[in-house]
Amino acid sequence: GAGVSQSPSNKVTEKGKDVELRCDPISGHTALYWYRQSLGQGLEFLIYFQGNSAPDKSGLPSDRFSAERTGGSVSTLTIQRTQQEDSAVYLCASSLGVGLMNTEAFFGQGTRLTVV
Amino acid sequence: KQEVTQIPAALSVPEGENLVLNCSFTDSAIYNLQWFRQDPGKGLTSLLLIQSSQREQTSGRLNASLDKSSGRSTLYIAASQPGDSATYLCAPRGAGNMLTFGGGTRLMVKP
Repeated sequence: GAGVSQSPSNKVTEKGKDVELRCDPISGHTALYWYRQSLGQGLEFLIYFQGNSAPDKSGLPSDRFSAERTGGSVSTLTIQRTQQEDSAVYLCASSLGVGLMNTEAFFGQGTRLTVV
Repeated sequence: KQEVTQIPAALSVPEGENLVLNCSFTDSAIYNLQWFRQDPGKGLTSLLLIQSSQREQTSGRLNASLDKSSGRSTLYIAASQPGDSATYLCAPRGAGNMLTFGGGTRLMVKP
């Protein structure tokens, strides 16, 4: 596609339920990032994928959060047993990968998650 | 660990003014630095990418400078317009291809 696509754009879920957020990166981009932005706050890094390398999971806030990237393209961020503090906008970005460090990152429009 | 600070946190100016947004970062070992704008309720739009080897990058009314050794970047907006109202974010890219974001500068340009 022309840009990074995220779905759904909005998600309301009940506390304790699991949710899956999807990110379709720009075709050919091997680097993929997930960030979280809570209301009025800055961007918090969650996880980074680069090609077939092991992902950098250092930003995941708890073991309820996980992410995978299938076939080096689409990524899914899963939050288990959602809590109200998980309410935020989840942003995905992609860029050309390692070895091409001087490249732009492009962001999707985000998924607004509300846990009630 | 990279830390990014943006000053001012908020700025309100009348239309037509030239303005400067500041970004400082603690780890100068970066590959590049990106400036983004974020409109309320939206994702981030890339404005400028400035390479670590560059001093300046220009796009229309926007000019970004980078002083890598001192850990500073500035975004200059010429002849500001109400449509420039948004939050501006800087993000140096460092070790591990990581983008680290500042808290942003919330800009309001009044007609």
